Amino acid sequence: DAGVTQSPTHLIKTRGQQVTLRCSPKSGHDTVSWYQQALGQGPQFIFQYYEEEERQRGNFPDRFSGHQFPNYSSELNVNALLLGDSALYLCASSAYDTYSNQPQHFGDGTRLSIL
Amino acid sequence: EDKVVQSPLSLVVHEGDTVTLNCSYEVTNFRSLLWYKQEKKAPTFLFMLTSSGIEKKSGRLSSILDKKELFSILNITATQTGDSAVYLCAVDSRGSTLGRLYFGRGTQLTVWP
Repeated sequence: DAGVTQSPTHLIKTRGQQVTLRCSPKSGHDTVSWYQQALGQGPQFIFQYYEEEERQRGNFPDRFSGHQFPNYSSELNVNALLLGDSALYLCASSAYDTYSNQPQHFGDGTRLSIL
Repeated sequence: EDKVVQSPLSLVVHEGDTVTLNCSYEVTNFRSLLWYKQEKKAPTFLFMLTSSGIEKKSGRLSSILDKKELFSILNITATQTGDSAVYLCAVDSRGSTLGRLYFGRGTQLTVWP
C-alpha cells in the first residue's frame, strides 16, 4: 500500500522563478493539504484541497497556488520565488469523514532551495 | 491567534533515560491533538488524542491530554538511540468539517548511547 508520494525530492531555483511540486495521496484518501516547513520550525499550513477545490487557506500570499486532479493528486505552484521560500514542502493526505477523526499522513517532502 | 507551544525545544539524554515532552495549545474549534515523529523527512504519526485523561500507549511511548488545562505530554521510557528525532505536536482545528493542523516548533530529542 503506497503512502503519500511527492516529487521531486530536491529542487534548486533562483529568485523570481516559478516552481511546481507534485503529490499523490495515500490510497483511499481524497483530501490533500500542503505545509511549508522552514528550518528549525514546525510545518505551517498553506492550503487544502478536496473535490478539486481549495477549501481552506493559511496565511500565505497569492504567489502560492494549487490544484487537485480527479484522481486526487495535487500540485503546489509558487511564482516569483523569494529567498524566504526555501523550505521543506510537505504534502499530507487524509480521508474526508465528517463523523470520525482520521490523522493526516505525510509524504517525505520536497526540499526547495532558492539561490 | 491560534498557537501550539512545545517545550523543551531541545533535549539531550542517554540511553535508558525517561523523557517527558510538553505541548500546550490555544486553538479554536479543537478536534484532536496529534503527535508525530520526524526523522529528516516525513512526519510519522504516533498518537491522536481527543478525550482528556485517556492515556494512549504504544510500546515505550505514551501520551495523555488535558483539555481543561490545554496541554498534552508525550513520555518515552527506556530511551534508545533510535528515538532520536524531532517530535511534533499538532492540533486539528475543524471550523468547517475539514480539519487543518496547527503545529508547534517541535522538540529535538537526541539520545546518546
